Amino acid sequence: GEDVEQSLFLSVREGDSSVINCTYTDSSSTYLYWYKQEPGAGLQLLTYIFSNMDMKQDQRLTVLLNKKDKHLSLRIADTQTGDSAIYFCAETLFSGGYNKLIFGAGTRLAVHP
Amino acid sequence: DSGVTQTPKHLITATGQRVTLRCSPRSGDLSVYWYQQSLDQGLQFLIQYYNGEERAKGNILERFSAQQFPDLHSELNLSSLELGDSALYFCASSVVDSTPNTGELFFGEGSRLTVL
Repeated sequence: GEDVEQSLFLSVREGDSSVINCTYTDSSSTYLYWYKQEPGAGLQLLTYIFSNMDMKQDQRLTVLLNKKDKHLSLRIADTQTGDSAIYFCAETLFSGGYNKLIFGAGTRLAVHP
Repeated sequence: DSGVTQTPKHLITATGQRVTLRCSPRSGDLSVYWYQQSLDQGLQFLIQYYNGEERAKGNILERFSAQQFPDLHSELNLSSLELGDSALYFCASSVVDSTPNTGELFFGEGSRLTVL
């Protein structure tokens, strides 16, 4: 199947770490991605990880990849109110000669004081 | 600003009607992708065009159709509208003819369709 699964909601206190989890289906996906959607806006690429990596760190963001379990996570350190958004996990699915980007349903992150 | 422009931003119409959503990709991008975002189904890939030709098809209903014109703008036509078609429709663009390895699609702000 083409399902990418994420939990729908996460609520954290400002300053704490947030961890958003995702499971994907295609073990041959070469890249996995996190997109961010702020209120009233389109999606924007946040970060991505190549499948031969276990971890990628970019400032406050840490992406962990467990290929065996097809599990991807995004950790946001020192979460701020400006991080409140919907976070989408995505994988590439090669089908019909072309790559398609398949998104999860998105995790809505709410940051409270 | 992603450089992708979608019109209209909001549209309210009645069941059975037909609407057209329009997308102008980023300058230089040849691929256009359409996605549907609804509360119960998340973000669903509908269809992709590259330089005027259909490239990939996702969960697009037969009542829906799309095309990409010589100037690279794209239109998504939704007909015989049903209540369940109410959603946010996103257009995205990229330079290449397949999802780039970096996964970077540039998304517009979406067209919110409400069917009453």
